Amino acid sequence: TQLLEQSPQFLSIQEGENLTVYCNSSSVFSSLQWYRQEPGEGPVLLVTVVTGGEVKKLKRLTFQFGDARKDSSLHITAAQPGDTGLYLCAGADTGTASKLTFGTGTRLQVTL
Amino acid sequence: ETGVTQSPTHLIKTRGQQVTLRCSSQSGHNTVSWYQQALGQGPQFIFQYYREEENGRGNFPPRFSGLQFPNYSSELNVNALELDDSALYLCASSPDPNSPLHFGNGTRLTVT
Repeated sequence: TQLLEQSPQFLSIQEGENLTVYCNSSSVFSSLQWYRQEPGEGPVLLVTVVTGGEVKKLKRLTFQFGDARKDSSLHITAAQPGDTGLYLCAGADTGTASKLTFGTGTRLQVTL
Repeated sequence: ETGVTQSPTHLIKTRGQQVTLRCSSQSGHNTVSWYQQALGQGPQFIFQYYREEENGRGNFPPRFSGLQFPNYSSELNVNALELDDSALYLCASSPDPNSPLHFGNGTRLTVT
């Protein structure tokens, strides 16, 4: 059984601070996706990383896929209240980008 | 705005009853995936349908079943409801099994 563990589980920070969320597994994935989910809504895809060592940036968010494709990180610079939400990583096997193994989630709260 | 709509948004059932949850996918999306998200956890893959045929199943018992129709709508049926079935059920569609998912906002099922 593939498992993805995220850390930390909860994070409460003030506006302007930086943070990093980690997603770790003992399994290799062909790709890894990051989602943000807000209360009462479904997850929304932020990014997909495919190549080991790949780094992608989305405005203030930086995503990295580990060299061995077993782990990933999400770094947010100068967090804003709009970044508040549940961040989920999800791994996919080859040819099955839609059959995902989700992580345990990191709940982020950014206050003024 | 999401192109995936789910109904109902909330539902309360009694243990032992049966329930049908509905999903309308984006036009042209031949793949629909269903996920169960328990409170405070990441979504878990239930099963996927591709062109009206089951195309993979997660670790869920046979009392969880599904249907996909030619008009891009689909159903998730759960028989003999148990208290642990209480969760947010998410439907997600994609053009094909190897494309990223577009999630609906889910149906919150409470089993009492």
